[in-house]
Amino acid sequence: GENVEQHPSTLSVQEGDSAVIKCTYSDSASNYFPWYKQELGKRPQLIIDIRSNVGEKKDQRIAVTLNKTAKHFSLHITETQPEDSAVYFCAARNFGNEKLTFGTGTRLTIIP
Amino acid sequence: EAGVAQSPRYKIIEKRQSVAFWCNPISGHATLYWYQQILGQGPKLLIQFQNNGVVDDSQLPKDRFSAERLKGVDSTLKIQPAKLEDSAVYLCASSFREREGFYEQYFGPGTRLTVT
Repeated sequence: GENVEQHPSTLSVQEGDSAVIKCTYSDSASNYFPWYKQELGKRPQLIIDIRSNVGEKKDQRIAVTLNKTAKHFSLHITETQPEDSAVYFCAARNFGNEKLTFGTGTRLTIIP
Repeated sequence: EAGVAQSPRYKIIEKRQSVAFWCNPISGHATLYWYQQILGQGPKLLIQFQNNGVVDDSQLPKDRFSAERLKGVDSTLKIQPAKLEDSAVYLCASSFREREGFYEQYFGPGTRLTVT
């Protein structure tokens, strides 16, 4: 089955700086890669996603890049703000079985 | 639109007791998922329903966990008997299948289970 690895597990960034979180996946049949943000005690919420026919996608301060050959994708947050502090999860989905496999999460802390 | 509803929000039970969780997905969402999220880890899929049929339950500990989705809408997840390692947040999610097969999963608030 699919295996998703996520790094780093914790990340502290000065407010205003950029943050990058990286994930790798094992199943070359995976074709959909969402990123979820989970604040303490709250539900995961989709912040951005990318499909396998696209190399990069941007939405204001967040962007995701995908390298299908290397089987890795990354989340980039620019001009970080205190409200960006949360746990971020990457995930990968195989179109064939529609199963979403999550990474282990990155706890991002923005230092004011 | 209304989101995914779950109840109860919190539950504390002793080991070997039984517990049940309820989920009401977003109206019109045919696919429903139950995830287990242990503290400090990502959600792990337990079972996936398409309408009232099971699509994937490969990671459901079937000796103690059971789930059903009668009439293809609400769903219940049951644990009997509970073990200490079942302490986790149980998340329900639902999705609407788009034409191309891509879709977003919407999560409920979760049920935090503590087994003592």
